[in-house]
Amino acid sequence: AQKITQTQPGMFVQEKEAVTLDCTYDTSDPSYGLFWYKQPSSGEMIFLIYQGSYDQQNATEGRYSLNFQKARKSANLVISASQLGDSAMYFCAMRRASGTYKYIFGTGTRLKVLA
Amino acid sequence: GAGVSQSPSNKVTEKGKDVELRCDPISGHTALYWYRQSLGQGLEFLIYFQGNSAPDKSGLPSDRFSAERTGGSVSTLTIQRTQQEDSAVYLCASSLDDSIFEYWHFGDGTRLSIL
Repeated sequence: AQKITQTQPGMFVQEKEAVTLDCTYDTSDPSYGLFWYKQPSSGEMIFLIYQGSYDQQNATEGRYSLNFQKARKSANLVISASQLGDSAMYFCAMRRASGTYKYIFGTGTRLKVLA
Repeated sequence: GAGVSQSPSNKVTEKGKDVELRCDPISGHTALYWYRQSLGQGLEFLIYFQGNSAPDKSGLPSDRFSAERTGGSVSTLTIQRTQQEDSAVYLCASSLDDSIFEYWHFGDGTRLSIL
């Protein structure tokens, strides 16, 4: 079955430190997209970063970068210089081109940034 | 409007009643998705519409759930004979199309509480 796995239900990081949130996925499709979303306590879903399966370079967006290891089927999110406002739930997601369960999300990782 | 609009924002109803949840996607977005998020949990895919194609209903949990999208725009998710386990936040999202490159734009959700 196609699925997304986030093995860290909760994590702590000290302010200004970097943190890595893990995401592994399982698909036999050659073409897919990987996404990370942030969900603060207010509930909105905020798009952070995207990585395509054919992209040669790891995606970066400001303090966010995606450590994409295609052979290992992992797409870990790295947040550099953590800020208190980064405290939130983080979801990894995958979009596939065809078949059922084309659009799936992981169970999330709750990140708490400590002052 | 600029974003995905969902109504109502909150809905409290008695067990056994029917409810309708509405989603107004971003203008021009052909793809529309419904997800369900139980308290502290990840996003569970429910249904997906793309243009005039038949919807992907593979995530609907039971035949009490149905959804339609009229005119390729507004969508309503209907839950008949509600049960307490239906209590959750129902999130609607849209994207420009269903390509693997497009990210979801989420609404603020409808918080459904079944008494």
